[in-house]
Amino acid sequence: DTGVSQDPRHKITKRGQNVTFRCDPISEHNRLYWYRQTLGQGPEFLTYFQNEAQLEKSRLLSDRFSAERPKGSFSTLEIQRTEQGDSAMYLCASSHQTANYEQYFGPGTRLTVT
Amino acid sequence: GQNIDQPTEMTATEGAIVQINCTYQTSGFNGLFWYQQHAGEAPTFLSYNVLDGLEEKGRFSSFLSRSKGYSYLLLKELQMKDSASYLCAVKRPEVTFGTGTKLQVIP
Repeated sequence: DTGVSQDPRHKITKRGQNVTFRCDPISEHNRLYWYRQTLGQGPEFLTYFQNEAQLEKSRLLSDRFSAERPKGSFSTLEIQRTEQGDSAMYLCASSHQTANYEQYFGPGTRLTVT
Repeated sequence: GQNIDQPTEMTATEGAIVQINCTYQTSGFNGLFWYQQHAGEAPTFLSYNVLDGLEEKGRFSSFLSRSKGYSYLLLKELQMKDSASYLCAVKRPEVTFGTGTKLQVIP
């Protein structure tokens, strides 16, 4: 499978714990995006990388959220001190710089904070 | 988000044509996407419009009017598998999604 993959697919955690999600983009794609989606809403942009550089970060994003893409390939999204409001589907997407409009989404990681 | 408006729900009959509208604020506009999202699945790319006019891709077409801040997605020869949410998203620097239009195709 050469699509975008995300791990884990589901995560249940207790409030206050830290969680980390991983995204592996399509191999030749140099742009990587993180979104969050709650039921009945469209995806909400969180951040985006071009290669290893984090170029955009949502102004609405709490300081508890951090993302990395150390080698310009896979990316991790960490949420510290989780809150119940963090419960959502976390989607990763990738695109190629020369066709940056066509974003391919991964299956998502569904986070439930209890 | 950022005043992207779409109808919440629509119902159409198998074999028919349906038009899903999207309006948005024009400031900082760079392009407009349409995505399809089946329940419980990730969005899949349908189209991206940068210039005014109609772009056709099989049964799906997308129209853009930048001056009016208006787009629509046209689905022809509807099939039951077209039942899904259709998301309009605007690219400024970042991509902002609307809340989506849930389309139900009935026999």
